[in-house]
Amino acid sequence: DSGVTQTPKHLITATGQRVTLRCSPRSGDLSVYWYQQSLDQGLQFLIQYYNGEERAKGNILERFSAQQFPDLHSELNLSSLELGDSALYFCASSVVGGVTETQYFGPGTRLLVL
Amino acid sequence: AQSVAQPEDQVNVAEGNPLTVKCTYSVSGNPYLFWYVQYPNRGLQFLLKYITGDNLVKGSYGFEAEFNKSQTSFHLKKPSALVSDSALYFCAVIPPRRGGGNKLTFGTGTQLKVEL
Repeated sequence: DSGVTQTPKHLITATGQRVTLRCSPRSGDLSVYWYQQSLDQGLQFLIQYYNGEERAKGNILERFSAQQFPDLHSELNLSSLELGDSALYFCASSVVGGVTETQYFGPGTRLLVL
Repeated sequence: AQSVAQPEDQVNVAEGNPLTVKCTYSVSGNPYLFWYVQYPNRGLQFLLKYITGDNLVKGSYGFEAEFNKSQTSFHLKKPSALVSDSALYFCAVIPPRRGGGNKLTFGTGTQLKVEL
């Protein structure tokens, strides 16, 4: 158990809908990352937050947004969902977001868009 | 482009035999390299990382990896494989640079199958 928690574990929804994925980092970690794992694209970095501020952005679609709250939990919002958004979404956390730090991953949220 | 390559989609090995999962990288400067393992329906678990120093890095569950700068490789090894090592293994890199966050760039993954 990495100490990173993600809810829900599974999510089934329809095209055009909006969902919110939630992540709680390990105790004491200030930086949160979101990754997407799909058969087509593999594991891809989406976005990183540090202490509430966006730190880095990857291949995140405009339909997707994220934020990190004062209690350090983070939410990834996915809107106008398409079939291709079906994937496993991982959250990871690290202490302060330094490049040499280990990122610890949560168990993921499996999203299925029908 | 900064990237890692895992040339083998699958590696099969008999239990008790040594295993190697290959990874090569292409980044400028000295990269930070990581190995993660993913068991079915589970998240990614950290195994080990190379930042600097000794080229041989020891990690969890008896795994180790050797950083080879001349061959731009970071192969994962274990002297004696176990059936329970069967999983999907990912190599990842963070290029050395200032600012801009530290996103992990992952390889495509190698499925390791250890058979009795």
